[in-house]
Amino acid sequence: AQTVTQSQPEMSVQEAETVTLSCTYDTSENNYYLFWYKQPPSRQMILVIRQEAYKQQNATENRFSVNFQKAAKSFSLKISDSQLGDTAMYFCAFIPYNNNDMRFGAGTRLTVKP
Amino acid sequence: NAGVMQNPRHLVRRRGQEARLRCSPMKGHSHVYWYRQLPEEGLKFMVYLQKENIIDESGMPKERFSAEFPKEGPSILRIQQVVRGDSAAYFCASSLNGGRSSYEQYFGPGTRLTVT
Repeated sequence: AQTVTQSQPEMSVQEAETVTLSCTYDTSENNYYLFWYKQPPSRQMILVIRQEAYKQQNATENRFSVNFQKAAKSFSLKISDSQLGDTAMYFCAFIPYNNNDMRFGAGTRLTVKP
Repeated sequence: NAGVMQNPRHLVRRRGQEARLRCSPMKGHSHVYWYRQLPEEGLKFMVYLQKENIIDESGMPKERFSAEFPKEGPSILRIQQVVRGDSAAYFCASSLNGGRSSYEQYFGPGTRLTVT
C-alpha cells in the first residue's frame, strides 16, 4: 500500500521565523512525484512545491524549500520568513509515475502568529 | 485562461435526495479526477475519467456514486440517495494528458456538500 503520513496535526510559528513540516511516505515504486499543497480557509488547493524522485537536488520556490531524503522516504517542507498569509492546512501528496491516484496525508494545520 | 471550475460551490441536500456536482476542466484538458475530502482529513481519490471513458474508479463507493465525462459539457459526479456520511468537500482536478502527465493536476475550488 502506498501511504503518506504527516505526524504533526497542528503547528504554530511566529511571523518571520522558520518552520518545518514533516512528511513520510511508503512505496515500493522507484519513480514518483511528491508535492506540498496549501489549503487556506477558502479550501482552494494551491500547489506550493513539487519534487521529482529521480532528482537529488531539493526543490525550492522562494521562501519554500524541501528536504527530500529518498532512502528514508521523507519529504519535509521548510517555510522561511513565515508570513501571516501562510496560515493554512498543508498537505503532503505523492503520485507514482504512470499513475492517476494522488495520495494525500491527513494534513498539518499551520498557524502563523503576529 | 480560466482554471478548473466547479459548481455549485455549496450544495445542501436532504437525506435521500440526489446530488449532482459539476466540473469543467481547464481549457484543453481532457483528463478529469475527482477527490473527496472528509472533515479534518486529506483528499482521497475517487475516479479518473477521460472524455467518454472511465479509466480508474477504484476509489468510488460501489453503490450510489457514479461519474461521467461526456464528449460535450462538464464532468458530473452524481450521488444518489445521499446520506449524512456523504457530507464532504468534493474536489475536481484536470490534466492535459494522463499517464506520465497525471502528476500535473490542477485543482478546482471544490464543492462542499452538506446532507441534512
